[in-house]
Amino acid sequence: DAKTTQPTSMDCAEGRAANLPCNHSTISGNEYVYWYRQIHSQGPQYIIHGLKNNETNEMASLIITEDRKSSTLILPHATLRDTAVYYCIVSPHSGGYQKVTFGTGTKLQVIP
Amino acid sequence: KAGVTQTPRYLIKTRGQQVTLSCSPISGHRSVSWYQQTPGQGLQFLFEYFSETQRNKGNFPGRFSGRQFSNSRSEMNVSTLELGDSALYLCASSLDGQPNQPQHFGDGTRLSIL
Repeated sequence: DAKTTQPTSMDCAEGRAANLPCNHSTISGNEYVYWYRQIHSQGPQYIIHGLKNNETNEMASLIITEDRKSSTLILPHATLRDTAVYYCIVSPHSGGYQKVTFGTGTKLQVIP
Repeated sequence: KAGVTQTPRYLIKTRGQQVTLSCSPISGHRSVSWYQQTPGQGLQFLFEYFSETQRNKGNFPGRFSGRQFSNSRSEMNVSTLELGDSALYLCASSLDGQPNQPQHFGDGTRLSIL
């Protein structure tokens, strides 16, 4: 499985966009990039995923570079409830099954 | 649409006992995975079930077992509990476990071993 690298922590002012980077330079052509987050004492929450095109849903946008070696999760208007640990992961090869493995993630602190 | 439901939310057991945890996946989801999360080891994969069959298993001893029923509900069992089994046990479901499908997690069962 491709390994991901994320900054340990980030701060973001409430109401501003939070841009969380992730490096996945060893990603294979058929592997998806997934983002999850975990708020203390809760289970991980799925945010968004993509293969090569940029994706947007009601929670966030995912920007994947053309070479697919890195991506950025964008929370357009961060709120205090977005304070959490954010995990970027790469799914296993197509034809396999999913086994989610989190790294250390990025601890996002949204500041009032 | 109801999310993944895990019961109980909290459990306290003593060493040597056994425990059964329950997971109800999102309606229509047939793949159920179990994970153990601890501060020291992070999120570790236990096993995945699909259509009542275990498809993959992580590196845990045989004391950890599971099963899936015909309605996709799943249970995991831990026998001869050890202090190190104290953790948050998470269940996640997806349509059929393919790499292009997100997994949706429950809020877990927090197991404490005394």
